[in-house]
Amino acid sequence: GQQVMQIPQYQHVQEGEDFTTYCNSSTTLSNIQWYKQRPGGHPVFLIQLVKSGEVKKQKRLTFQFGEAKKNSSLHITATQTTDVGTYFCAGGGFKTIFGAGTRLFVKA
Amino acid sequence: NAGVTQTPKFRILKIGQSMTLQCTQDMNHNYMYWYRQDPGMGLKLIYYSVGAGITDKGEVPNGYNVSRSTTEDFPLRLELAAPSQTSVYFCASSGTGRGVNTEAFFGQGTRLTVV
Repeated sequence: GQQVMQIPQYQHVQEGEDFTTYCNSSTTLSNIQWYKQRPGGHPVFLIQLVKSGEVKKQKRLTFQFGEAKKNSSLHITATQTTDVGTYFCAGGGFKTIFGAGTRLFVKA
Repeated sequence: NAGVTQTPKFRILKIGQSMTLQCTQDMNHNYMYWYRQDPGMGLKLIYYSVGAGITDKGEVPNGYNVSRSTTEDFPLRLELAAPSQTSVYFCASSGTGRGVNTEAFFGQGTRLTVV
């Protein structure tokens, strides 16, 4: 079945450092979504990418969708303590499959 | 606007007991999902539904059943609870736009412990 793999599993950064998480699918995706989950909370939607090669920005966050629509990345510039949480990618259309997530720790 | 509402928030079950996790959404979304999240892990899809009367298995359906008699409600049934079903359960819903599913809205989660 379809799999969505995400790396790294954990990332510890110093506040102000950059952070990137990568998402890879075994099959071509119709779209990719990114979510953030704060500790003890529920996943909250960040963005959706649909087009091949698409790049979108939200302030310090940059999202990319690969040309083959099989991979994606989320890059955070100059992390802040408020960025702490787990970042998930999700793909697969109506049968939305989540990656395992990357847990981000930010040290002040 | 309530969004996605799950009940209960917490529950402790004994091995072999059964229960139903309730989920309702007021956004008229066609797609609804049940996920489970084990401690420190990602979300695993249990069941999903693309509309009233239509359900299908996800990645980890064993030990669970669902029904979708209305657009709003998507209950998850646990029969013969086992310790391996100790987890946090999230219900979610999403709409459609331009032929793809749109963002998923999640409920607050149900924290289930089986002892």
